[in-house]
Amino acid sequence: DAGITQSPRHKVTETGTPVTLRCHQTENHRYMYWYRQDPGHGLRLIHYSYGVKDTDKGEVSDGYSVSRSKTEDFLLTLESATSSQTSVYFCANSRRGVDTQYFGPGTRLTVL
Amino acid sequence: KQEVTQIPAALSVPEGENLVLNCSFTDSAIYNLQWFRQDPGKGLTSLLLIQSSQREQTSGRLNASLDKSSGRSTLYIAASQPGDSATYLCAVNLEETSGSRLTFGEGTQLTVNP
Repeated sequence: DAGITQSPRHKVTETGTPVTLRCHQTENHRYMYWYRQDPGHGLRLIHYSYGVKDTDKGEVSDGYSVSRSKTEDFLLTLESATSSQTSVYFCANSRRGVDTQYFGPGTRLTVL
Repeated sequence: KQEVTQIPAALSVPEGENLVLNCSFTDSAIYNLQWFRQDPGKGLTSLLLIQSSQREQTSGRLNASLDKSSGRSTLYIAASQPGDSATYLCAVNLEETSGSRLTFGEGTQLTVNP
């Protein structure tokens, strides 16, 4: 158990609005990740962080930004939400980049 | 680009059967391979992690094997139970890492019937 909580758990928003999803960990794991899960595509990495203020892009980073100002919090922002960003978003953490990843419960985002 | 394939996409078995789930990957230069379980509407739960130098890992009724050179892994579930019903995903981590490059398969949806 990685002690990860995600908020909100469900959100419905309109195209063009900004959205921020929050991931909080109770451990001091160095690595944190944001994934999206879509039918036909599986889980894909959006961005990850390897320390406070240290982030890097994943496979599907366009339209997303992240911030990590504290070890325990990793924020994912959609600056201007589009319908193609309707998805289930998962946060995960790990002690090192190659270690087991532990996942949060997910956030279901619907963009109308 | 690393691609991960899981076969079959769905599997339905009667309770008590032993079963095998398959995972294949295109780039054999992996650091490790991880198996996860996902229940409907929930996040992923880590089951097993196999390092590239290992051949297999066991946890209870689960046994995962790895053949890195042929790009294959199998997850063996012994004496299946209805509570094993879930989607099982495998993911590979590439060797070049300053971070993580976990690439996931789409999963095998397992149903164990009482």
